[in-house]
Amino acid sequence: NAGVTQTPKFQVLKTGQSMTLQCAQDMNHEYMSWYRQDPGMGLRLIHYSVGAGITDQGEVPNGYNVSRSTTEDFPLRLLSAAPSQTSVYFCASSGKGQVYNEQFFGPGTRLTVL
Amino acid sequence: RKEVEQDPGPFNVPEGATVAFNCTYSNSASQSFFWYRQDCRKEPKLLMSVYSSGNEDGRFTAQLNRASQYISLLIRDSKLSDSATYLCVVPHQAGTALIFGKGTTLSVSS
Repeated sequence: NAGVTQTPKFQVLKTGQSMTLQCAQDMNHEYMSWYRQDPGMGLRLIHYSVGAGITDQGEVPNGYNVSRSTTEDFPLRLLSAAPSQTSVYFCASSGKGQVYNEQFFGPGTRLTVL
Repeated sequence: RKEVEQDPGPFNVPEGATVAFNCTYSNSASQSFFWYRQDCRKEPKLLMSVYSSGNEDGRFTAQLNRASQYISLLIRDSKLSDSATYLCVVPHQAGTALIFGKGTTLSVSS
């Protein structure tokens, strides 16, 4: 199993550009989520999904869109990048059904918006 | 009050020391709690789960006080390899995602 994979690893954008951060998992997990991590801020939940076709907002959803057309994939879209979106983005997945299920994280995408 | 609050740190300790991190949470309905470890801005990895009064795994002990809404992590006999950021975490929406504290940085020196 590859676990949770994220692409790209690094990305530099100009203000106003759009892009999609890719996330995929091969563990057949129902739950997937996106977080951003800024220095001194810990991880903050952006969006999450409990299954294909179902998404919801987390703590900091503004400026980001998500969709979940398959169980495996959960892309995060930045429609018009802003410097405030410079951050490290982590995708995670976990199985359904138990509140203490471990969440597995991808290696992260380091995004800089100029 | 933030959902999860941790000691700000950093904690700088010598090898062999015992160190404790504290965390408070605001949602009294939370049923389970976690400590994750993060190395140098790599992805977080689960260190311990806590869903009763406490949990012990080798040199690591996590304790839960539901009345005070307080979680602690105790590390005994600290090793250089324990140097990392320790994140206190509670479930979001019945485990669909996670809510993280800001993390406490530990540096163990020889």
